[in-house]
Amino acid sequence: GAGVSQSPSNKVTEKGKDVELRCDPISGHTALYWYRQSLGQGLEFLIYFQGNSAPDKSGLPSDRFSAERTGGSVSTLTIQRTQQEDSAVYLCASSTQGLAVNEQFFGPGTRLTVL
Amino acid sequence: GNSVTQMEGPVTLSEEAFLTINCTYTATGYPSLFWYVQYPGEGLQLLLKATKADDKGSNKGFEATYRKETTSFHLEKGSVQVSDSAVYFCARGGSGGGADGLTFGKGTHLIIQP
Repeated sequence: GAGVSQSPSNKVTEKGKDVELRCDPISGHTALYWYRQSLGQGLEFLIYFQGNSAPDKSGLPSDRFSAERTGGSVSTLTIQRTQQEDSAVYLCASSTQGLAVNEQFFGPGTRLTVL
Repeated sequence: GNSVTQMEGPVTLSEEAFLTINCTYTATGYPSLFWYVQYPGEGLQLLLKATKADDKGSNKGFEATYRKETTSFHLEKGSVQVSDSAVYFCARGGSGGGADGLTFGKGTHLIIQP
């Protein structure tokens, strides 16, 4: 069956521009997660959705980052006024329920390069 | 704070060698513990997990035991293959049972030579 998909796979942008990253979770998965993978910081948890609701946004690096999820399915991560330190691979994952014991299934990621 | 520490790589071994990748964690309570693997050119995928103390997770010949007394979850394999070459990430879930997102170690790059 289809796994988690993300688009675009690669995005190159200029400093100061806004970017929007998309995640399509596995059908039926109610929980959705965003992570960032960078050389300096490793894998960082950003935000989690249960349905359309994000209970805790404190993992987002700055107020330039926002995320939303509609219809309990697709999610978008938006970065406004991008900076070079935003360059990273952004990973999305989904799981059947928002339980700590459940396996998270990861997408291939979006590689963001800010020039 | 809550964190996961794993041995830095790269770790280079010959085929059929014994593998240990150390992982220790800090957390309040008893979180679920995971090993994820990232093969070259592929996405992260779950290798094994353990959800309570003394549980042993196993998959593809790999094993890890949840050790509460040493707060460790070391990954072992008795005889590695070239196809095991990948980056391995130790991770812990939230301690409260809810989904706080996973906290990952920095990853260990494993290279198996024929």
